[in-house]
Amino acid sequence: RKEVEQDPGPFNVPEGATVAFNCTYSNSASQSFFWYRQDCRKEPKLLMSVYSSGNEDGRFTAQLNRASQYISLLIRDSKLSDSATYLCVVRRDSSYKLIFGSGTRLLVRP
Amino acid sequence: GAVVSQHPSRVICKSGTSVKIECRSLDFQATTMFWYRQFPKKSLMLMATSNEGSKATYEQGVEKDKFLINHASLTLSTLTVTSAHPEDSSFYICSARSGTNFDNEQFFGPGTRLTVL
Repeated sequence: RKEVEQDPGPFNVPEGATVAFNCTYSNSASQSFFWYRQDCRKEPKLLMSVYSSGNEDGRFTAQLNRASQYISLLIRDSKLSDSATYLCVVRRDSSYKLIFGSGTRLLVRP
Repeated sequence: GAVVSQHPSRVICKSGTSVKIECRSLDFQATTMFWYRQFPKKSLMLMATSNEGSKATYEQGVEKDKFLINHASLTLSTLTVTSAHPEDSSFYICSARSGTNFDNEQFFGPGTRLTVL
């Protein structure tokens, strides 16, 4: 079983739609959680960290459920430029190592 | 955010040759650098972690004699793929971080696409 699991998608949504991605992690020692965005043939870029209380950055909302070991990302009012692969990433306690999910692909159509 | 560069951005080589990829932190001192590999439609897989001036720590299943890592300075790490074969064709990405705080962000380089013929 992969340590971080995501639905690969693709999620194909119209502009303006709201879309949600979920991610589950298996290692309860995971302490830090992130969503990264990766465009085709590019490096991943940090979208936002995920905090236990949930956090919002503009159109993006991230939530963490430690009991169920899942993380979510909600994108409101989707833009064409949101089309990308969204990577769920966890970091274990007392470690620099990041564990990446295989990503969920989002396609926003006009 | 901080800037990390990689060179070359893409390389095509013949089977059996060695390829060196450079990773540089341009505006900060990278205490730790990481090398990842990503196959098409797959997740980034950590290959090794290197700290300046010490030997790299390789992940399970990564051959240290095939993937030579040198982190000789606080701004430069190199990955050499020795005797490359077609199955080594992949997207190699480095990242760098500074300090000892686990929460310090890792900054990723733009990646190097390796194709072995």
